Amino acid sequence: NAGVTQTPKFQVLKTGQSMTLQCAQDMNHNSMYWYRQDPGMGLRLIYYSASEGTTDKGEVPNGYNVSRLNKREFSLRLESAAPSQTSVYFCASSATATSGYEQYFGPGTRLTVT
Amino acid sequence: KNEVEQSPQNLTAQEGEFITINCSYSVGISALHWLQQHPGGGIVSLFMLSSGKKKHGRLIATINIQEKHSSLHITASHPRDSAVYICAVPHYGGSQGNLIFGKGTKLSVKP
Repeated sequence: NAGVTQTPKFQVLKTGQSMTLQCAQDMNHNSMYWYRQDPGMGLRLIYYSASEGTTDKGEVPNGYNVSRLNKREFSLRLESAAPSQTSVYFCASSATATSGYEQYFGPGTRLTVT
Repeated sequence: KNEVEQSPQNLTAQEGEFITINCSYSVGISALHWLQQHPGGGIVSLFMLSSGKKKHGRLIATINIQEKHSSLHITASHPRDSAVYICAVPHYGGSQGNLIFGKGTKLSVKP
């Protein structure tokens, strides 16, 4: 099992460009999450999908959109990238959207917006 | 909303020392998570606990639900334990899966 995979691993964008970060899991998990991690701050939730067909905003959703394409895949889109979106992005999945279940993390995508 | 505080922010230890990392939160929860972030950036779940104590190898996690406090202990620390340790709790308390994360404790174990 690959667990949680993310593509790309690194990306450099110019301000105003758009891109989609891809995430897939092969653990048959119902719930998936997108986080960003910035220096000096904890991981912060951008969006999550409690189950296939549902998505909800997290703590820092502005400037992002998500799509739960199917049970395996959850993508994060930046429509018009801004320097403030320079960050490391992690995707995670869990069996269900309750705190009693472990979250499994992907390797991360390091995004720089110039 | 829950608030999470970890201490210390940074910790340097000699190989073999006993390590304690603390985590406090403000709103009642049903489960708390401890995670480890490797120097290369990867994040793995270490423990999920709702009461008492859990042990995995040299790592021990305890939680006091009444005090809203958890500790992560590492016995006989080793340089390979050098990492950032992060605790996380439900953002709005209870048992929901939206977690809020502490800023992490950066541990460096010297040989």
